[in-house]
Amino acid sequence: DAKTTQPNSMESNEEEPVHLPCNHSTISGTDYIHWYRQLPSQGPEYVIHGLTSNVNNRMASLAIAEDRKSSTLILHRATLRDAAVYYCILRDRLRGSNYKLTFGKGTLLTVNP
Amino acid sequence: GAGVSQSPSNKVTEKGKDVELRCDPISGHTALYWYRQSLGQGLEFLIYFQGNSAPDKSGLPSDRFSAERTGGSVSTLTIQRTQQEDSAVYLCASSLSPLGEVGPYNEQFFGPGTRLTVL
Repeated sequence: DAKTTQPNSMESNEEEPVHLPCNHSTISGTDYIHWYRQLPSQGPEYVIHGLTSNVNNRMASLAIAEDRKSSTLILHRATLRDAAVYYCILRDRLRGSNYKLTFGKGTLLTVNP
Repeated sequence: GAGVSQSPSNKVTEKGKDVELRCDPISGHTALYWYRQSLGQGLEFLIYFQGNSAPDKSGLPSDRFSAERTGGSVSTLTIQRTQQEDSAVYLCASSLSPLGEVGPYNEQFFGPGTRLTVL
């Protein structure tokens, strides 16, 4: 299965930026980097994805290293509602041209008031 | 609009009993995934449905697990002769199209999960 490495946990203060790192040294040239998060007692939700260029959306920014072997999810101003497990994900091939997302253990983000 | 729904939200059963878990994907979504999440762990892929194609069952942990998807919509995950190690949260996700090589990005929308406890 596709492999990503993330810190088990990180801590931040409210209204401060948060940088969540991810290593994916085995990434292939056509693989997107996906980020999902899982709030307590909920199913995961999509955050952002990218291929080569840095990406921004209303939730976060994604900074991708030039060699694509690592990326950083950036929450510009953490709020208490951002406390969640953040998953950095590569896809894995299923049968034929189908793929699945392989979720690791992610990074548990704690936001302090 | 309505998201992915799952029922029941909680299920407590005795070891050896069969259980059925239901997933209602977002209308029009052709791809449907089942995962399970044990306490403190990441998500484990179980099975994938795409349209009317035969499902990819490569993640099912044993032959006690099966799933079907009727009419390309509702899906049911069945666990026969439940064991205590089956206790987990079972999550269903759907996406508009498969996570393929090309085309627009298709994020997966997850349901709230069914928490299964086998006593």
